[in-house]
Amino acid sequence: DAKTTQPNSMESNEEEPVHLPCNHSTISGTDYIHWYRQLPSQGPEYVIHGLTSNVNNRMASLAIAEDRKSSTLILHRATLRDAAVYYCILRDSGGEYGNKLVFGAGTILRVKS
Amino acid sequence: KAGVTQTPRYLIKTRGQQVTLSCSPISGHRSVSWYQQTPGQGLQFLFEYFSETQRNKGNFPGRFSGRQFSNSRSEMNVSTLELGDSALYLCASSLGNRNTIYFGEGSWLTVV
Repeated sequence: DAKTTQPNSMESNEEEPVHLPCNHSTISGTDYIHWYRQLPSQGPEYVIHGLTSNVNNRMASLAIAEDRKSSTLILHRATLRDAAVYYCILRDSGGEYGNKLVFGAGTILRVKS
Repeated sequence: KAGVTQTPRYLIKTRGQQVTLSCSPISGHRSVSWYQQTPGQGLQFLFEYFSETQRNKGNFPGRFSGRQFSNSRSEMNVSTLELGDSALYLCASSLGNRNTIYFGEGSWLTVV
């Protein structure tokens, strides 16, 4: 399983942008980069995913490096409700591994008011 | 549209007993996966079912088993419970291989 590396924790002020980095130097050509987050006492929640190009949705933006060995999840204006553990996951688009997600330790995001 | 529903939400069992957890996927989803989350090991994949067939299995002992029914609902069973089985058990569903995976809120199991 391809591996990702994330900082253990990050802190942000409310209403400021947050950039959560992820390194995935062993990414293969068929791996999509997925981000999930887990709020306290809840199951993980899908945030965004991408393959090569930067992606935007209502929750966040995903910036992918040109060589695809790293990516950054961007929360444009952090709120207290964004405090969660954020997981960066590589998912094989070829479907060989079905729907198995391999979670790392993730990044604990703390948001200060 | 209803999300992934897991029952029960909380339960306490005694060592040596067995437990069955239930998961109702989002309507139309044929893939159901199970994960175990503990403070020490984090989120770990247990197994995945697709159209009633197990097609992926994680590295867990045979005490952990599951099944999927024709309506895509799934159950997982843990026999001969150990203290270390205390965890949050999460179910996730998806339409298929390349589709978004949605998680339920989980079943909290405490083994005493």
